[in-house]
This record gives sequence, structure tokens and C-alpha cells, in this order.
Amino acid sequence: DAGVIQSPRHEVTEMGQEVTLRCKPISGHNSLFWYRQTMMRGLELLIYFNNNVPIDDSGMPEDRFSAKMPNASFSTLKIQPSEPRDSAVYFCASSPRGPGELFFGEGSRLTVL
Amino acid sequence: GNSVTQMEGPVTLSEEAFLTINCTYTATGYPSLFWYVQYPGEGLQLLLKATKADDKGSNKGFEATYRKETTSFHLEKGSVQVSDSAVYFCALSDTGRRALTFGSGTRLQVQP
Repeated sequence: DAGVIQSPRHEVTEMGQEVTLRCKPISGHNSLFWYRQTMMRGLELLIYFNNNVPIDDSGMPEDRFSAKMPNASFSTLKIQPSEPRDSAVYFCASSPRGPGELFFGEGSRLTVL
Repeated sequence: GNSVTQMEGPVTLSEEAFLTINCTYTATGYPSLFWYVQYPGEGLQLLLKATKADDKGSNKGFEATYRKETTSFHLEKGSVQVSDSAVYFCALSDTGRRALTFGSGTRLQVQP
């Protein structure tokens, strides 16, 4: 069975550029989460969706960040414009039901120069 | 708000040693508790969970007991292996909210 698929795995870009990260959740899972991992701040929840509807976006750092889930099989996290402090590993995870049983993708490592 | 506190790492052990990684939490109500493991270059994987007080979660030789009186969920393993080297995250999910609150992670290094 395919797990959560994220792309790109690695992205290096320059400050000011737009970055789009993509996620395909596991089929049948109705919740999707975006997390950011850094050495300084650990794992932070950015946003999560339930049945394609954003439920909690209180973790989105600022207006430069936006996330969409146009259908049950696809989500994007966009950063525009990007800044060096956005450098991190961004994880997408999905969940079938109930609290806490998250299935993580392998992450997208973003480096903003 | 919710929070999870884990012991600082790295924890360095010899193969076959006993492992304990401490985890305490603050939450309203009755959260579910989890341990996740992250191997180098990979995403997190669920290791075990407990959904109510006094429940014991177990998997791959790891165990953790949900202690409501001490708000703790310490991870233990009787005999670690080199392949257990990874970062371990304690997490909670409170009722009605599917997103997890994670601790800072504890790196375990097992030496042969």
C-alpha cells in the first residue's frame, strides 16, 4: 500500500521565491496535517484539514504561508515570499479516524538561501 | 494549553541495556498518549499508544503505561539493540482534536 507521498523531497531556493510543497494522503484517510520540524522549535503543527476543510490553522506562521486541499487526494502548502527562517523539514501526515494515529510522509526538506 | 515534556537527549546506551525515556504532559480532560519514532531521513512512525488511564501500550519490545496520577507516559525497553537508534517523540491528542502535540524528541544512540 502506498503511504503518504510528498514532493519535492528536497528544495533549495533563494529568498523571495515562491515555494509549493505537495502531499498525497493515504486513500480513505479523511484528515490531513502539515507539520514543520526544526532543530530549534521541534515539531510544530501548521494546519490540519478534516474532509478537505481547514479545521485549525492557528499554527500557520504568517500570511506568507497558505495551504489548500482542493480534494481528498491532494494538498499544497505554499510559501510566498520565502525567507531563510522558513528553512525546515515540512511533513504531511494523514489519519483515517480517531485521535492521534497519524501516518507521516518522508518530508520535504526546504532550504532558503 | 496542552504540552509535552521529554527528557533531554541524547541518550547513549550499550546494546542490551535497559531504556527509559521520560515523558510528562499537561492537558485538559483525558488525552490519548502516543510514542512515535523517527529513523534518520524518514518521517515519524507510530510506535505505541494508550487511550485511557492505566492502559499499557506495547510494540516491538517497547512499553509505556498511561499514569494519570503522575501525568506521565514513560517509554521503556528491557534490552535495546543498535537498530533502535532513532529519535523518540512523546505526543498527546486531547478529546475532540485530532492533531497531535509533540514533545521535543529524545535521540537514542545504541552502541554495539
